[in-house]
Amino acid sequence: GESVGLHLPTLSVQEGDNSIINCAYSNSASDYFIWYKQESGKGPQFIIDIRSNMDKRQGQRVTVLLNKTVKHLSLQIAATQPGDSAVYFCAEKGADTGRRALTFGSGTRLQVQP
Amino acid sequence: EPEVTQTPSHQVTQMGQEVILRCVPISNHLYFYWYRQILGQKVEFLVSFYNNEISEKSEIFDDQFSVERPDGSNFTLKIRSTKLEDSAMYFCASRDRGDEQFFGPGTRLTVL
Repeated sequence: GESVGLHLPTLSVQEGDNSIINCAYSNSASDYFIWYKQESGKGPQFIIDIRSNMDKRQGQRVTVLLNKTVKHLSLQIAATQPGDSAVYFCAEKGADTGRRALTFGSGTRLQVQP
Repeated sequence: EPEVTQTPSHQVTQMGQEVILRCVPISNHLYFYWYRQILGQKVEFLVSFYNNEISEKSEIFDDQFSVERPDGSNFTLKIRSTKLEDSAMYFCASRDRGDEQFFGPGTRLTVL
């Protein structure tokens, strides 16, 4: 999901369910993508990353899928826990020489109901 | 585990005043960044710094902003004359030669 201004899209799931958070990116030249988790009052925390030469990468309870054809990235969280409640941002890095800065998406709020 | 630290956690200032936000990146990291996040909005890139000079900056990073690495451990962001719209969370990040950027906890800047 994408947000406009202050209205973050919210995904509400039950504890133990799987969560899927989506992100559309804009730069077809981006070669590196990251998912960050941000809890209230804290800085972004790295979850998982993927390079553009891959379409899937798995971590502990998380999987990132990359579809370059439609410029879409998703984060799957298995067996969602209350501690997963946070805002999730995707970020991309361009492949342009010297372009090392990250461009962040608008974020999705994940609420896990116990 | 090493982490990026930032001080202060909250800075309140009057419009027109200068502020300096401080960051201590992870010690063996080479690349340093400042980002900001206006309340409820996405994180936005401000500036990157490598080898004691700015390597990239965004349109937000105008002449009111400057960065400095005054010694081997600190990385600072200065806003010369703050405006109301500078109110935001400011995040410092650092990385080594890999791509992963490690973020600090942020400084909340409130301009009155």
